Amino acid sequence: EVQLVESGGGLVKPGGSLRLSCTASGFPFDTYSVNWVRQAPGKGLEWVASISRDSTYTYYADSLKGRFTISRDNTNAALFLQMKSLRADDTAIYYCARTRFGHLSTFLFDSWGQGVLVTVSS
Amino acid sequence: DIQMAQSPSSLSASVGDRVTITCRASETIADFLNWYHQKPGKAPKLLIYAASNLQDGVPSRFSGSGSGTDFTLTISSLQPEDFGVYYCQHSFTPPPAFGPGTKVEIK
Repeated sequence: EVQLVESGGGLVKPGGSLRLSCTASGFPFDTYSVNWVRQAPGKGLEWVASISRDSTYTYYADSLKGRFTISRDNTNAALFLQMKSLRADDTAIYYCARTRFGHLSTFLFDSWGQGVLVTVSS
Repeated sequence: DIQMAQSPSSLSASVGDRVTITCRASETIADFLNWYHQKPGKAPKLLIYAASNLQDGVPSRFSGSGSGTDFTLTISSLQPEDFGVYYCQHSFTPPPAFGPGTKVEIK
């Protein structure tokens, strides 16, 4: 069974940093691109970042470039999102999502974690 | 960047009804259009990919159509478990974007 489990969320002050993790199991992690998608409370879905299977390619939402960094550790089947200079509008549930294998596009998300809440507040 | 629009923003329908949700892209995206369903407090679930392909395990009452800029998600016979929010999303080119969602309520 495919499982994606996020961790590392919590309350952080504006301007602070946080590192999210996503641990994958049930599939060969190193053959899939993976992604972060977020959802502000009561709002819609917003793509955050994507990383190719061997980390060669990374993509970011323009509004987040320079503040967020996506990375992965294939040995330990883990995905990370390093977030810095956090703002109140970064408050959201952050989901880890797997790219569907064999599809032409990186940005098709076929399995999702349960999400982790990040709250940016003083 | 390509923007996505959905209509209606919400609807209320009875069990057994046929439900249609539309999605429009601001530019042509061929068939790089996907549909997700999200129930309250849960992660989204992929329903349809590449405009008309049913994801594994998704009931056949769900179907998708369209290409270019205009797309449709149809639920042929609404079931009680189909409540929630439906999002379209393009995967044509970065940045991928989601529509604002359509909230489906069961009467």
